[in-house]
Order: sequence, then C-alpha cells, then structure tokens
Amino acid sequence: EPEVTQTPSHQVTQMGQEVILRCVPISNHLYFYWYRQILGQKVEFLVSFYNNEISEKSEIFDDQFSVERPDGSNFTLKIRSTKLEDSAMYFCASSGLAGGLGDTQYFGPGTRLTVL
Amino acid sequence: AQKVTQAQTEISVVEKEDVTLDCVYETRDTTYYLFWYKQPPSGELVFLIRRNSFDEQNEISGRYSWNFQKSTSSFNFTITASQVVDSAVYFCALGRGFKTIFGAGTRLFVKA
Repeated sequence: EPEVTQTPSHQVTQMGQEVILRCVPISNHLYFYWYRQILGQKVEFLVSFYNNEISEKSEIFDDQFSVERPDGSNFTLKIRSTKLEDSAMYFCASSGLAGGLGDTQYFGPGTRLTVL
Repeated sequence: AQKVTQAQTEISVVEKEDVTLDCVYETRDTTYYLFWYKQPPSGELVFLIRRNSFDEQNEISGRYSWNFQKSTSSFNFTITASQVVDSAVYFCALGRGFKTIFGAGTRLFVKA
C-alpha cells in the first residue's frame, strides 16, 4: 500500500540554524501539506501546496518557513532560523485529485525536530 | 469560526468495555468533511474515517462505529469491546478547503 515517507525521523539542531525536513508524498497525489504537533498538543495546520504554489497557510507559517517541491517526488519544509518553540513533530500529508474538496489526507510518520 | 471540540481529555476503560469518544464541531460552511484519526504511542497518524456533510448515515467498521448528527454538530466515535491495542490518542478533525482542523484529541487507555 502506498504511503507518505518522511526523513529524517528525528532532527536535532541548534537555535538559529536552518533545517530542511523532507517528505515523499504518495506518488499520484497532487496536494501536499505540512502540519506540526507540539508535544502533547493538537495537530496544527501549517501550509498546503498545489501546482507548485502555496494554496493556503496558517498564521504559524511566517517568513521563517518555506516549502518547495524541488523535483517530481520530494516535498520539503525549510525553517530558516530555528527557535526553541519550533521543537515539535512535523507531519507531511498528501491527498489525491479532490484535494481542496476535503479529500482524505494521508500522513507520514513525522519528523521530530528538537531545537537546543 | 471553524472549530473542533473534544471535551474528553482522557478516558480509561477496562478491556471489553464499550467506549464513546465525543466530537463537536463548528462551521458555517454547508459543505465540509469530518475525519477521525488514531495516533498510537508510536506517533503516526492513522486515518480511520471520512464523512461528508451531506451523508448523515451512521457507519460501522468492525468494532468501530460513528454517529454523525448535523442537528447537534456532533460526530461521535464508539469502540465496541475495546482491546488494549485500541490505546491511543484519537483526533476528530474538520476538513474545509485545503486544510484540516484538528480537535485537541482524546487519550484512550484500555487496561487488560
């Protein structure tokens, strides 16, 4: 069964450093998403991406964040200058053709980011 | 405002008990989608069900069943004859447009 994969599973970085979280969505999906979950809290929407541009973003997704689909398979989230409060689990998700019509989003296993 | 409320923070049951997880949502949209996801201790998010706003039929899948009532804006989830493997955090979520809004989750402990 196709699945979303994410690398690395755990990333430790120093405050102020840049990190890139990588995701490989399900191959025939067209819509891609990033969410984050601070430990013990709810899952929060960050951004959605379709046709090589951001379709929606939350207030959390400020200028320090960016997303990119550098090739036909990867989808990345870059955090330019990490802060302590960026420590969280970051989930990538993808959905198929309907996308914006509430199509089911399938989630990757997550990358745990720890900022020291 | 779009919002999902899961009032039960934690529930503890003994194996084989039935348990219902409550979910109340708020939206002004006429077309929307509701989801349940399971997050086991390993941390991944596992899709359980998707329901659109025009389909109020209840659904049963094995030991799982869902009750969707638009009149009360609720989408409750029942596990029948719970098992230890059901121990997890369960999230109810509201899908609109390009994003999914999650509730705070209910942590379910099933004791042997």
